[in-house]
Amino acid sequence: GESVGLHLPTLSVQEGDNSIINCAYSNSASDYFIWYKQESGKGPQFIIDIRSNMDKRQGQRVTVLLNKTVKHLSLQIAATQPGDSAVYFCAEEAGGYNKLIFGAGTRLAVHP
Amino acid sequence: GAGVSQSPRYKVTKRGQDVTLRCDPISSHATLYWYQQALGQGPEFLTYFNYEAQPDKSGLPSDRFSAERPEGSISTLTIQRTEQRDSAMYRCASSPGQGAGETQYFGPGTRLLVL
Repeated sequence: GESVGLHLPTLSVQEGDNSIINCAYSNSASDYFIWYKQESGKGPQFIIDIRSNMDKRQGQRVTVLLNKTVKHLSLQIAATQPGDSAVYFCAEEAGGYNKLIFGAGTRLAVHP
Repeated sequence: GAGVSQSPRYKVTKRGQDVTLRCDPISSHATLYWYQQALGQGPEFLTYFNYEAQPDKSGLPSDRFSAERPEGSISTLTIQRTEQRDSAMYRCASSPGQGAGETQYFGPGTRLLVL
């Protein structure tokens, strides 16, 4: 399959550790944010989303934090597993606009 | 269907030829999106449809690019007179409703290579 993220920043973690992936978004009018996981050869896979009226949302092993003051989004993955290895993209959507603007992506490498 | 599907998965063409890419969204999803993804980057918006209406095609790079969704389900993206710079992964996504703020589910993409 294609190689995603040839020159992306990489976060390397040990299996079992917690991972934090950060994203700075651009538009203060954005009110919907999504984290996607993209494995090599596959399309982006939805992980978790958050709306601008919240600052934290939890899923299974994942937590998204939103800081609107500094336009910052983070994804926390608890007890990182080898299967979490992928490129992670944050995406934002401005109110009323049906289009996602994707960030640059971060490669997560999980080592046993 | 169970997920978004796209065909072909790979397409190699010669510069100047026309290509048509196909997207089958998740069954009953109202909204369908096309994105272009270069290696090492996130997807970039091209256009979207609410059923058969195409409210926004602002991301299409030139008038060589066009998209259709005539019956509000399957969509095609056509690139006329292809150029080498059109080489990229083309991704389709769909979401259940028509409004913004809906989760978009992506297909596997079509890798286009223009020689």
